[in-house]
Amino acid sequence: QSALTQPASVSGSPGQSITISCTGTSSDVGDYNFVSWYQQHLGKVPQLIIYDVYNRPSGVSNRFSGSKSGNTASLTISGLQAEDEADYYCSSYTSTSSWVFGGGTKLTVL
Amino acid sequence: QLQLQESGPGLVKPSETLSLTCTVSGGSISSSNYYWGWIRQPPGKGLEWIGSIYYSGTTYYNPSLKTRVTISVDTSKNQFSLKLSSVIAADTAVYHCARIYRSGREVDYWGQGTLVIVSS
Repeated sequence: QSALTQPASVSGSPGQSITISCTGTSSDVGDYNFVSWYQQHLGKVPQLIIYDVYNRPSGVSNRFSGSKSGNTASLTISGLQAEDEADYYCSSYTSTSSWVFGGGTKLTVL
Repeated sequence: QLQLQESGPGLVKPSETLSLTCTVSGGSISSSNYYWGWIRQPPGKGLEWIGSIYYSGTTYYNPSLKTRVTISVDTSKNQFSLKLSSVIAADTAVYHCARIYRSGREVDYWGQGTLVIVSS
């Protein structure tokens, strides 16, 4: 199975909004709403920020939102803050009863 | 509060078998609501799902690693384990154990991870 496709890097200024895309296939992202997003600060363990495409776990800021269209899922962060600088990974369940991650996107807050 | 703790050798020789155990505390590994999985991250690189197991013993493996991976569960000890055979330098990574919510397939708890280096 191939990794989901994410941009290697995105950047934005404080207060702006950014969107990270996650492109898969009709056998993963396009076939299930089991898309999740994880935030990983440098040297830390990944943290779940979005599950089931657009749901936020308790305690996650509503500045984080998720969506999906066809084989592409997206994570939008609004009102960028310095603390949002991190790596972001998408993940999807697949039709072969496996899981696949995206390659990761490094977010830089300018 | 659920905790997952990985344990095992931090150094494995090429061609040998990497063996790790994850001990779950603060919750039961026999819950029907969760899978339990292994995810790795090579230094400076992205996440890779290795495989998952249900408390019943049903396993799911990454197709690219399937021939070398075995995941097992010991419900009496509240533990699950990973074996990766015929390791090479590219298997050097931080290995995380994780809890996966069965309903949405998301990883809701991660172990801190353990660095395993493959080197002679």
